[in-house]
Amino acid sequence: NAGVTQTPKFQVLKTGQSMTLQCAQDMNHEYMSWYRQDPGMGLRLIHYSVGAGITDQGEVPNGYNVSRSTTEDFPLRLLSAAPSQTSVYFCASSRARRETQYFGPGTRLLVL
Amino acid sequence: DAKTTQPNSMESNEEEPVHLPCNHSTISGTDYIHWYRQLPSQGPEYVIHGLTSNVNNRMASLAIAEDRKSSTLILHRATLRDAAVYYCILRATTGNQFYFGTGTSLTVIP
Repeated sequence: NAGVTQTPKFQVLKTGQSMTLQCAQDMNHEYMSWYRQDPGMGLRLIHYSVGAGITDQGEVPNGYNVSRSTTEDFPLRLLSAAPSQTSVYFCASSRARRETQYFGPGTRLLVL
Repeated sequence: DAKTTQPNSMESNEEEPVHLPCNHSTISGTDYIHWYRQLPSQGPEYVIHGLTSNVNNRMASLAIAEDRKSSTLILHRATLRDAAVYYCILRATTGNQFYFGTGTSLTVIP
């Protein structure tokens, strides 16, 4: 199993540009989530999904959209990037919402 | 989810045991205690979790106080590869979120 994969590894955007961060898992996990990690801080939850077709907001959802059309994929969309969204983004999945989470390697995003 | 308190940083000599403390005085009876660690430039990885009894696995041991208001992650012999940020997290049986906090940065001295 590849586990949780994320693309791209690194991205530079200009303010106002849009992009999609990709996340995929091959473990047939129902629960998937997106976190952001700012320098020297812990992870904060952006959005999560408890199954295909079901998404909900986390702690810091503003400026981000998600969808879950399949069990495997959970993309995160930035509609109009802002410098405040410069961060490292981690995707995670688990068999169920209360179980062990498996994290991807992260995407480093720089917004100029 | 209830919050946890951890020291910002700790140091340990290589091949010595390390005890990483965590306070969670507002824990409820159904909250599980989870530990994750994050190696430099990587995503967090699961270490161990427990509810009431002490737990052991190949990576570490988890000692939980009798009143459950604190716990300790024990690495039996620290190696250089154990240098990481360790997060103590309370996971409720309801709700959907892990609150990571800022964790403890462990430095292992050769």
